[in-house]
Amino acid sequence: QSALTQPASVSGSPGQSITISCTGTTSDVGNYNYVSWYQQHPDKAPKLIVFDVNNRPSGVSNRFSGSKSGNTASLTISGLQAEDEADYYCNSFRSDNTWVFGGGTKVTVL
Amino acid sequence: QVQLQESGPGLVKPSETLSLTCTVSGSSISSAFYWGWIRQPPGKGLEWIGSIFHVGRTYYDSSLKSRVTISMDTPNNRFSLKLRSVTAADTAVYYCARLGDRSSHFDYWGQGTLVTVSS
Repeated sequence: QSALTQPASVSGSPGQSITISCTGTTSDVGNYNYVSWYQQHPDKAPKLIVFDVNNRPSGVSNRFSGSKSGNTASLTISGLQAEDEADYYCNSFRSDNTWVFGGGTKVTVL
Repeated sequence: QVQLQESGPGLVKPSETLSLTCTVSGSSISSAFYWGWIRQPPGKGLEWIGSIFHVGRTYYDSSLKSRVTISMDTPNNRFSLKLRSVTAADTAVYYCARLGDRSSHFDYWGQGTLVTVSS
């Protein structure tokens, strides 16, 4: 199964906003609002930061926000901080009752 | 507090079967949640392997389907992964996780366990 498409890397300066895209198809992102985002620091397990396109779990900073348009979902990190430097992965439910991850995006804080 | 913990051999020989167990605390695997396995090869991204629901319903990634079995041990509140005929390409950190409400997202994860396939 093909992974969702994410940019390999995105960078920004402290305080800036950045956006990571996640492109799928009408079989996943385009047809379901079951898109989630995960943050992963080196040698750590992934952490859920956004679910159902634009919802945040309790305790996750409101600097993280999600959206979706057509077959593309997006994660925006506003007020970029050094601690946001990590890998980010999107995930979507698919019409064949499977789940698929994006290839991952490395965020660098300049 | 929901916690998941993976356990199993860290080294498996090529052509043999990789077997891992995920022990869950703070949530019953018989409840209305799906449970899943995800892996991450060294230096690469996350790959969904498969998920299971307590009534025995399972779903697997199509590329692994012929080699994978996920099963539940309800009395001990744990679930397992078996991956047959492994090769070096199956070397990865393996995570178990719970699918949250509406099965739309992985809300709790284990810490992960590295499995190396080598003779």
